[in-house]
Amino acid sequence: QSVLTQPPSTSGTPGQRVTISCSGSSSNIENNRVNWYQHFPGTTPKLLIHTDSERPSGVSDRFSASKSGTSASLAISGLQSEDEADYYCAVWDDSLHSVMFGGGTKLTVL
Amino acid sequence: ELRLVESGGDLVQRGGSLRLSCAASGSTFSRSTMSWVRQAPGKGLEWIASLSGRGGDPFYADSVKGRFTISRDNPKNMVYLQMNSLRADDTAVYYCATTNYGQSFDPWGQGTLVTVSS
Repeated sequence: QSVLTQPPSTSGTPGQRVTISCSGSSSNIENNRVNWYQHFPGTTPKLLIHTDSERPSGVSDRFSASKSGTSASLAISGLQSEDEADYYCAVWDDSLHSVMFGGGTKLTVL
Repeated sequence: ELRLVESGGDLVQRGGSLRLSCAASGSTFSRSTMSWVRQAPGKGLEWIASLSGRGGDPFYADSVKGRFTISRDNPKNMVYLQMNSLRADDTAVYYCATTNYGQSFDPWGQGTLVTVSS
């Protein structure tokens, strides 16, 4: 059971906007930087968002993220079939002295 | 940006030991914090250890503390993960990754598979 809670799955149709939530606490999300990763099974995970809402160079601007209090969210606009992947939030936890990953959300493009 | 290549994954018996290696190419290795992250079959990503470029105190996840040791050899651009007292639930693909501000992991290696048999 992760200290960061993500929905196990979500879905959307092409062109739609979907959001993935990540719920934590004051020992992690509220006071530390949230990062998001995209992972296609069998491949290397990819950093999608760092420092709460910053996109690394080369990441599509269809991906955005925000944080408020003890929760964070990732938004994907203009959904495409190639966005079908697993998405993870991650953040340092001050109480556990560990980097914690959310359980991951499997995105299906219908 | 560093390029990372892991090696050393293998089939090992429960209670056994294994050392994973991660070779880094790039001039910034000695200044980079390096981490290991794993993914067990059918499970999510799990951070397990980090070590700063200056070789300060390492950080470990509770699940591996006392059994795994992260180390590095800066002149050789290598980072290692010594795994002892292996258990079935250590079976996973192990990735090394460069750790940046805010504990973000980028880039990642391609991963190496460790299978612990019972």
